[in-house]
Amino acid sequence: GAVVSQHPSWVICKSGTSVKIECRSLDFQATTMFWYRQFPKQSLMLMATSNEGSKATYEQGVEKDKFLINHASLTLSTLTVTSAHPEDSSFYICSARRTRQGVYEQYFGPGTRLTVT
Amino acid sequence: GENVEQHPSTLSVQEGDSAVIKCTYSDSASNYFPWYKQELGKRPQLIIDIRSNVGEKKDQRIAVTLNKTAKHFSLHITETQPEDSAVYFCAASWAYGGSQGNLIFGKGTKLSVKP
Repeated sequence: GAVVSQHPSWVICKSGTSVKIECRSLDFQATTMFWYRQFPKQSLMLMATSNEGSKATYEQGVEKDKFLINHASLTLSTLTVTSAHPEDSSFYICSARRTRQGVYEQYFGPGTRLTVT
Repeated sequence: GENVEQHPSTLSVQEGDSAVIKCTYSDSASNYFPWYKQELGKRPQLIIDIRSNVGEKKDQRIAVTLNKTAKHFSLHITETQPEDSAVYFCAASWAYGGSQGNLIFGKGTKLSVKP
């Protein structure tokens, strides 16, 4: 149990275009999902918290108009990188939260490697 | 807010030896401490977690200890194997009454197990 999928696993796009990344919890419902960015050899940087049916909460310094998040159902959240630029190239990882024994646990998707040329 | 410090940043051990990674946290309200293992280019995998109502938890070769007074917790891997080589992240959060704060991650420890 607790499987999270992410699609696509990698994408190359041209500067100025938009890219959508999907995150799905396959065997549990996730009212809350998270989007992280990870630079090489660095830790996970939380970008935003996505709550089903409401607006996402963005961390300080993350542009909400550039990184659009939609959490349309209990099993799907999407991240759209709008007008992508080379500096947006990174590894994006989503995670979904489920409750077990009264405490939330987070499970991560496999990540999406974005390269903007 | 919560701050999690993790040490060491890199750790190299011989196969069969033990490895210990330590984390400290700042928020005394934190009561949930998971550990994740991330292999190169892959997702972080939850390998073990501990809640503040226990001091130690074991799962085969992996154990985690928690000292609430000192606000630190540690990951212990015994009889290390080459496949244990990865980056390990500790994290901390609080969870009370159906609500939970966001996980705050340490910066990671790159463990290398030499055959």
